[in-house]
Amino acid sequence: AQKVTQAQTEISVVEKEDVTLDCVYETRDTTYYLFWYKQPPSGELVFLIRRNSFDEQNEISGRYSWNFQKSTSSFNFTITASQVVDSAVYFCALSEGGSSNTGKLIFGQGTTLQVKP
Amino acid sequence: GAVVSQHPSWVICKSGTSVKIECRSLDFQATTMFWYRQFPKQSLMLMATSNEGSKATYEQGVEKDKFLINHASLTLSTLTVTSAHPEDSSFYICSAWTGYSNQPQHFGDGTRLSIL
Repeated sequence: AQKVTQAQTEISVVEKEDVTLDCVYETRDTTYYLFWYKQPPSGELVFLIRRNSFDEQNEISGRYSWNFQKSTSSFNFTITASQVVDSAVYFCALSEGGSSNTGKLIFGQGTTLQVKP
Repeated sequence: GAVVSQHPSWVICKSGTSVKIECRSLDFQATTMFWYRQFPKQSLMLMATSNEGSKATYEQGVEKDKFLINHASLTLSTLTVTSAHPEDSSFYICSAWTGYSNQPQHFGDGTRLSIL
């Protein structure tokens, strides 16, 4: 069965600190996709990144970076020099790939990040 | 980027009323749309998967007759909460997907439903 675990329920940091949000997944599929979404207080889900299981290259986008480690089934998300606007709930998600891909997302429980000024 | 419009954003109505929520993909065709429900401080719970032109597939425990889903075109899906009761109050959010594996789901802004 597929499962996504975000063990950190809430994290609080002070502005300009770096913070890493953990995500561990379980799947028997050899082809799958991993995602991160941001949900600010207004409620909408904002797509941040998609990574397929064959691409373990880490990615950096501005202050955001992602570390995909297949060996540990982890897809961690780091925000460098955090800002108050980064305060939100962050969801990690998994979907199956290949010909059986239905697009269904399995979400983790989310991590609430609070960045204090 | 891909835009999904969800309307209305907020509904307050009396118990027994039926409420319709629309989900539109504005700049792409969505073969599949998903409907989620989210309780406060919890994750998204998938309610149903809707494919254009066919009946929706509901997740276990979701009442089909309570939550009617229609996906009549490649850009529009609707969720109707029939005879809503206070326990149906929640945040409902839709997403739209092209059907291509290299594309993510794109989400609407959600609808806050309050049943009095």
